[in-house]
Amino acid sequence: AQSVAQPEDQVNVAEGNPLTVKCTYSVSGNPYLFWYVQYPNRGHQFLLKYITGDNLVKGSYGFEAEFNKSQTSFHLKKPSALVSDSALYFCAVPNTGGFKTIFGAGTRLFVKA
Amino acid sequence: DAGVIQSPRHEVTEMGQEVTLRCKPISGHDYLFWYRQTMMRGLELLIYFNNNVPIDDSGMPEDRFSAKMPNASFSTLKIQPSEPRDSAVYFCASSLGAGTGGSQPQHFGDGTRLSIL
Repeated sequence: AQSVAQPEDQVNVAEGNPLTVKCTYSVSGNPYLFWYVQYPNRGHQFLLKYITGDNLVKGSYGFEAEFNKSQTSFHLKKPSALVSDSALYFCAVPNTGGFKTIFGAGTRLFVKA
Repeated sequence: DAGVIQSPRHEVTEMGQEVTLRCKPISGHDYLFWYRQTMMRGLELLIYFNNNVPIDDSGMPEDRFSAKMPNASFSTLKIQPSEPRDSAVYFCASSLGAGTGGSQPQHFGDGTRLSIL
């Protein structure tokens, strides 16, 4: 069965520093991988996805993610964090058949000014 | 372009009352999902529809919960009778699934925050 794991409940980073939010996956076949962000009192918003091709995927708000097949990871990154990036981040993968999405437990990102 | 629209945004009601949550998906999307989010259990998939037909309702907690999708532009999630443990944020999401193999993201509404007293 398809699954994702987010090993960190919380990540703290200072504004201006690079940030990484970790995700590992377990899938059969070639994976489709997604990152979503949830701001307070809002629904999940799509950030970026990996389908195929270039291992470095660029998304919204300056975020990018690196697909690493050997390490089965899909970490979310940003070169310079903003206070406004503070939110919940979810890694996700479609289930077998592609009709449901399996979400990770989420990582709370705190960016301190 | 309007996103997924949910109403009401907040609902406070007393135990035993009927609660109806509403969702308007993005036009053209053929999948609709209902989720529940709590601090304890995170995001849980309750039910999803394809072309207005319920496909998997295994996440619906019990018979007090029911969901319908009478047409492509409207869905409801009903709780009757409601209980305090139903308090949560309920999200609706839609996506384009046909022929995409799961490569398209889900689009979420901003949720209904439900409090059962």
